[in-house]
Amino acid sequence: AQSVTQLDSQVPVFEEAPVELRCNYSSSVSVYLFWYVQYPNQGLQLLLKYLSGSTLVKGINGFEAEFNKSQTSFHLRKPSVHISDTAEYFCAVTRTGANNLFFGTGTRLTVIP
Amino acid sequence: EAEVAQSPRYKITEKSQAVAFWCDPISGHATLYWYRQILGQGPELLVQFQDESVVDDSQLPKDRFSAERLKGVDSTLKIQPAELGDSAMYLCASSLLPATDTQYFGPGTRLTVL
Repeated sequence: AQSVTQLDSQVPVFEEAPVELRCNYSSSVSVYLFWYVQYPNQGLQLLLKYLSGSTLVKGINGFEAEFNKSQTSFHLRKPSVHISDTAEYFCAVTRTGANNLFFGTGTRLTVIP
Repeated sequence: EAEVAQSPRYKITEKSQAVAFWCDPISGHATLYWYRQILGQGPELLVQFQDESVVDDSQLPKDRFSAERLKGVDSTLKIQPAELGDSAMYLCASSLLPATDTQYFGPGTRLTVL
């Protein structure tokens, strides 16, 4: 079975500062990893995903994530955050042959002016 | 840009009543998902359709929940009877293909059971 752990439930950060949201996964087989963002009272939106190839994945809104197989991690980063980045961020995983995604519990990013 | 539509956006009901949620996926998306998201948690899959067929409903409480996608397009999720613990956000998503393809989410229906 696969699962993801988001180590931080809340991350406050000042505007224009860098941020890293942590995600670790557990699976005994090859995995595919995703980051979704959820703005208040909205559905989820895909930020980026890793399926294969380069381990550094660039997504929308200036976010990027790095797949690290040896550390079983897929941390999300942004070099300079904006107020508009305030939202809930979810890491998700699936594996070869699976039909659906398993989501983590989320990290609430709050950008402080 | 095409979007996943859901209605109603908000629903307040009393326990033991029946409720129904509707979802219209992006045109051409064969895969449709219903998720339940409890406050402070990530979405949990309730049921997944491929066209009109159920692919996974292992986490659906079948004694009170039912879902259908009769013509392989829009879908309805029903709860009867509703219980206090059913209060949550119910999200619908669709994708062209299952698993690795990008899922597009609707705005959700927030259910409050009193």
